[in-house]
Amino acid sequence: DIQLTQSPSFLSASVGDRVTITCRASQGISTYLAWYQQKPGKAPKLLIYAASTLQGGVPSRFSGRGSGTEFTLTISSLQPEDFATYYCQQLHSYPLAFGGGAKVEIK
Amino acid sequence: EVQLVESGGGLVQPGGSLRLSCAASGFTFNRYSMTWVRQAPGKGLEWVANIKQDGSETYYVDSVRGRFSISRDNAKNSLFLQINSLRAEDTAVYYCARVALWGNDFWGQGALVTVSS
Repeated sequence: DIQLTQSPSFLSASVGDRVTITCRASQGISTYLAWYQQKPGKAPKLLIYAASTLQGGVPSRFSGRGSGTEFTLTISSLQPEDFATYYCQQLHSYPLAFGGGAKVEIK
Repeated sequence: EVQLVESGGGLVQPGGSLRLSCAASGFTFNRYSMTWVRQAPGKGLEWVANIKQDGSETYYVDSVRGRFSISRDNAKNSLFLQINSLRAEDTAVYYCARVALWGNDFWGQGALVTVSS
């Protein structure tokens, strides 16, 4: 089974900061990776798919990069509505694991 | 507008059973694979099961295989999750979601399942 490890699991940042979250896969998954944002009490929201393609309606300050085993999600200028938990998910092979999550909080 | 609405959650005793439903609207249901994802209180997301468009193939996480069963009724635009032999660790919010090619692009609001005596 493929495991996904996200880092950091928690980060404290300020509005306007550039933030990068890393997701590492235990084996190569090409670009079969998605990123989700989840706010408390809400369902997750798809941000990025195929490692780097922005889902429709998602602000351009979000970007994704990577292939194989290492992936990043970057928020170029953190906005108040971006404070949330972010998850990666591999869609290469079953079981379709999620990473453990990265909580972004206000400094 | 795409909508997914879960129902059927509740309080169940250990060893009990429950059937979750997910009513889909706003898209051609039989063209999409569907998935169930759960989230235990204060924890991260856990993929549970997937089902192909025509229901011919199903996939499960090891921890639920043999106890959970995913199914669908394309005539009624509905997805189901039959949950048997419930354990305390199955307590979670269960989300249904539409599977796009590269990710889950629409999600329901979730249904809470609590396993407790």
